[in-house]
This record gives sequence, C-alpha cells and structure tokens, in this order.
Amino acid sequence: DTEVTQTPKHLVMGMTNKKSLKCEQHMGHRAMYWYKQKAKKPPELMFVYSYEKLSINESVPSRFSPECPNSSLLNLHLHALQPEDSALYLCASSQEARSAYEQYFGPGTRLTVT
Amino acid sequence: RKEVEQDPGPFNVPEGATVAFNCTYSNSASQSFFWYRQDCRKEPKLLMSVYSSGNEDGRFTAQLNRASQYISLLIRDSKLSDSATYLCVVTPPPGQNFVFGPGTRLSVLP
Repeated sequence: DTEVTQTPKHLVMGMTNKKSLKCEQHMGHRAMYWYKQKAKKPPELMFVYSYEKLSINESVPSRFSPECPNSSLLNLHLHALQPEDSALYLCASSQEARSAYEQYFGPGTRLTVT
Repeated sequence: RKEVEQDPGPFNVPEGATVAFNCTYSNSASQSFFWYRQDCRKEPKLLMSVYSSGNEDGRFTAQLNRASQYISLLIRDSKLSDSATYLCVVTPPPGQNFVFGPGTRLSVLP
C-alpha cells in the first residue's frame, strides 16, 4: 500500500488565522517531506524529516512550522500567512532520506490565503 | 544554468505516436534519477526510476547518459491517458533532496 494521505483537501484562511496541515503514511517510511507547488511550476522542497528529526529546512519563512509527532505523521503549522503563500502543499514519504529511494506523494492540500 | 532542464513542450501528438522527452542536469555528481507524471491538479506519481543500464516498463523506456548528463523518456503507442506533465527528478549530492525539472506537458490527441 503506497498511500500517503493529507487533510484537509482544501483550506481557505485569512492572514491572521492559525491552521495546520496533516499528513500520514503507513508504509513504514522513515523520511517525510513537505513541498510547495505553484500553478504550472514544479514542486519546491520546504522541509525534510529523517527519523522524526528535521534534517533540511530550505530557508522557509518562520510562518511555516513543521512538526513530526511520530514516524507516521507530519504536520505543517501555518500562522500569519501572506496571499503569495497560496499554493498546493504536498507531503511525500520515502523509505529513507537518501537519493536511491523513490518518494511517494499525497494528494496535497490546496491552500488559499485571503 | 538551471540544475535540471527539460524540453519546454508542450508536445501534442496523435494516439499511437511515439514521443521522447529529454532532461539535462548540471551536477555531474548527481546520484539518482526518476521520471514522475503529474495530472492536472493532482499529485506527482512515480512513473519509473532511471538506472544506468536503462530500463523499460511496458510502453515506457528510460535511459541515462552520465557522460552527457541527460536522461530520456520514450513513450511508445501513446494513449489518451498518457496526457500529463512529465517531471524529471535528479538528486544531486549529498543525496537527500529531490530537484524537479520544470516539466514537459504532453497532450495525446484522438
């Protein structure tokens, strides 16, 4: 079962709101990722968690705060976002955070910041 | 030069055609290579990994040329359902990050 789930599917939030995106995988993968994708652009890496520890933060603004409560779950906490943060947020997982392993993506959360 | 570049597309081909996409990468120490497909408003889905010896999966053939730093994807007997954006993925050292190419859009026409 190569499934990564994400909730919610869609989210509309104001610039003063606080919300969280959730991601779950039950494949026993030890690496999980957050990506941001704007329309007609490829996904851009935001964060990498390896064995529940943050291993890569691609200079993402602090209004995005990741959290990995356990090896199956990944959250992205959002606070004081800007309209330009509107995008598709994709979660992915892989067996380990090494290049040889394929990444499997969830369906994404489509975020609109008003 | 961008890390990963792809044919700009779009490619519009009739059903049954053979189509090939190329992808070039700038870091000669890149370690792994993949092709993903992404349907409109959906997530990327792994199509195939690309091995040094080349690999084939049904109508799809992927090849890697390390000397020239490019990978290719060949689709034979195109189906309407092959219409999607094809994303080339490269992992430069130290080998944790996926770097996506900009994608090539394919439309297979009836």
